[in-house]
Parts: sequence; structure tokens; C-alpha cells
Amino acid sequence: DADVTQTPRNRITKTGKRIMLECSQTKGHDRMYWYRQDPGLGLRLIYYSFDVKDINKGEISDGYSVSRQAQAKFSLSLESAIPNQTALYFCATSDLKPGQGVYNEQFFGPGTRLTVL
Amino acid sequence: GEDVEQSLFLSVREGDSSVINCTYTDSSSTYLYWYKQEPGAGLQLLTYIFSNMDMKQDQRLTVLLNKKDKHLSLRIADTQTGDSAIYFCADPNSGNTPLVFGKGTRLSVIA
Repeated sequence: DADVTQTPRNRITKTGKRIMLECSQTKGHDRMYWYRQDPGLGLRLIYYSFDVKDINKGEISDGYSVSRQAQAKFSLSLESAIPNQTALYFCATSDLKPGQGVYNEQFFGPGTRLTVL
Repeated sequence: GEDVEQSLFLSVREGDSSVINCTYTDSSSTYLYWYKQEPGAGLQLLTYIFSNMDMKQDQRLTVLLNKKDKHLSLRIADTQTGDSAIYFCADPNSGNTPLVFGKGTRLSVIA
């Protein structure tokens, strides 16, 4: 079974609709992230959370919100979707472990392809 | 904030070596990472290097780090068609922050 799962894998919606993308992980990691990927722009950080009570804005948080429901779950919402939010969205997790210093490998889900018409 | 730069495309013939380059701006980097994204998939860690190292070799992969010039490179020896993917260089602003990714280099391998 995949350690980081995302649902749905594909979604087509219309401008103005509210959309929620969900991410679950079984790795037991405290840290979770949401990125979007656009051709030629690479990955850009939307929001991240270092534990259940912690939420931080990333580079491009406008138009998005998140909820960290539990250690294992981190959802991303688009309150009113617009066409330029069409992209591939990735969830990722990581954990800093004692003795590993600041080694911070991030583990990625398979992605959600969102199309806003 | 941290900035990570990569060229967008690289095309090589099967069997040749591929060299993907990356520059970064944060001099406090501790680990630097290379991720690989195959078509239709998420990113997977390919290799990493600790900042006190100049070179790391892992089978067909060689990572070179020039801290003075803030330059990182990934060399793939004997490139195969299965190496066709997007390769991302990644660096944290500091050890305790999310990774900052370059735009990715799309490697195309010509048979």
C-alpha cells in the first residue's frame, strides 16, 4: 500500500466551485506539505504543517486554505476555483528524527490533476 | 528567500552521460537533494549530498557539489531510456524548512 495517498487522482470542475483535495499518510510523519506543479514553473509550495496545531503559508497560498485534521490527514481547499488553479497538486510528508540532523527527505503522493473550466 | 535554478531541457543519446546542473543561493544549506519524476508519477528521492562533501557516487549516479560557487550537478553514466524523466534539484532555506525546488530539468534519452 502507498504510504502517501491523495484523493481524488483527477478532478474536473467549473469556475466558482468549492473543491477539496485530500491527503492521507501512514508514515507517521509530523510534517505535511501541499505543492502545485505547473509546466515550466516546477513545484511551488502552497501550505505546510509541522504538526497538528501548526499551519504555515507557502509561496502561493492566495486562493487556497488547508485543514490538518489529524497527524495523518492534511486537506487542501479551493473555496472558489478559478481556471489558473488548473495544475497538478502534490502532497508530501517528512519527519526530522533524532540523530539525523537536518536531513529532511520529503515523500510525495501520486498527485491530483485538477482542471478548472 | 532561497532560489534554485536549473535548465529546463536536456537531450542525450542512449549510452552517453547526462549532466544536469543546478545553482542555489542559500549558503547555509546542509543537505541538497535530487528528485526524479517519471511520467504520470509523483517525485521520488534519487540521491542527496551532505554539504561537507564534494562528491557522492552511487552506481551510475555522481553528485558534485561546489559550495564556493553554490553549484550542484548530477551525472548519470550510461544513460538509458528508463532515465527519461524530470529531475529536480531541491534545497531547504534552512534545515528546518520545506524544500525549495528548482523548475526541473526534463531529460530526454534518444535511442
